[in-house]
This record gives sequence, structure tokens and C-alpha cells, in this order.
Amino acid sequence: DTGVSQDPRHKITKRGQNVTFRCDPISEHNRLYWYRQTLGQGPEFLTYFQNEAQLEKSRLLSDRFSAERPKGSFSTLEIQRTEQGDSAMYLCASSSSYGEQETQYFGPGTRLLVL
Amino acid sequence: LAKTTQPISMDSYEGQEVNITCSHNNIATNDYITWYQQFPSQGPRFIIQGYKTKVTNEVASLFIPADRKSSTLSLPRVSLSDTAVYYCLVGAPYGNKLVFGAGTILRVKS
Repeated sequence: DTGVSQDPRHKITKRGQNVTFRCDPISEHNRLYWYRQTLGQGPEFLTYFQNEAQLEKSRLLSDRFSAERPKGSFSTLEIQRTEQGDSAMYLCASSSSYGEQETQYFGPGTRLLVL
Repeated sequence: LAKTTQPISMDSYEGQEVNITCSHNNIATNDYITWYQQFPSQGPRFIIQGYKTKVTNEVASLFIPADRKSSTLSLPRVSLSDTAVYYCLVGAPYGNKLVFGAGTILRVKS
């Protein structure tokens, strides 16, 4: 399967702990996006990378959140000192900027539950 | 970014054609229209994308009138497995953070 993969698929943690999620994009895609989705809502944009450069961050991304894409391939999203409000599905999407238009392809998501 | 309006929910029966209309009155000249499908506990899945007139693929058709202020996603002969949330999005073709609304919950009954 050459789609976007995310790991882990589920994470349960206690408030105050740090968590890290990984996203592996489609191999030839140079853009990578992170979104967050809470129950009953559509996904909300968090941040995106073109190659290894982080080009935009949403104001939803507080100081406790950090994302990296060190070699322009996989990306990690870390949440420090988790809070119950961080409970959500974290989605990764990738796309290619080469072509007539850009289509983002999503991974299965990581569901986070903060107790 | 253009705001979209779509029905909150729709019901259909297996074998019927389903049309979901999305309004986007403030669409910009270079905006494309994209539809995603999402099942519970999964990431959104790209269905179809278009700029004007009609686009068809193996899954759906997308109809866009000349003024581009609305679009209609057409799903032929739906099955129970088409029960999902369908999102209509508009935006520039590149470097675009997708802005999702609440989507349309489609329930297909037997």
C-alpha cells in the first residue's frame, strides 16, 4: 500500500504527558499537512510543510505543539503537557505541488484520548 | 477562503442516485471545487475535483454551472457502504490548507 500512513492509530495518555505521532506521506509527495478533527466537526488545519520547511502554522497550534519534517519525508507531531482538550483525531495529508492542481490525500489518522 | 453551504444530512435507498448540492457564492476565480468522503474513524478520502462544467470519474460526477456559485456531487446507484459524511471544499489549487465545513451526512438504507 503506497498511501499515507500514520502511527500509532490510537493513543491513550494521562494529562500532562507528552505524545508524539508519526506520518509517512506518499513517497513522491513534497507537501505534508497536519489537521485535527474533533467529534462531529470537519478537520481543522494545523500546519504544513513543503519539503522540510514548515510554511504555515495555524493559531490552533499552541506552544505545546511542535511539528517537524527533518528530511522532507516523514513528519512528527509532538504535543507536550497534554490536556483533555487535546483529545481528537490527528490527521496527516500529503500532496504534490507538481501538476495542474494539488490534491491532498489523507492518512487514517491517530486518535488521541487524554484522561 | 470561500465559505460553503451544504445540507446537514440526506437519506437515500440502495440503488438510487444521490445528488448533494453545495453553495459557494463567494468562490474566487482561481478556486477549485473538491469533494471528500469520510467514514467514521477514518481520514477523508478524495472523491472528485473540478473547476467548471462536468467532471466524471469511476466513483462520482461533479456538475458545476457556468456561474460556479454552486456544485452538485452525483453518486450513481448508492449502496449501504456509501453511508458517510461528504465534504465540499473550495480553494486555490496550490498550497492550500483545506477548510472543511460540517459536511453532509448521507445515510443509505436498504
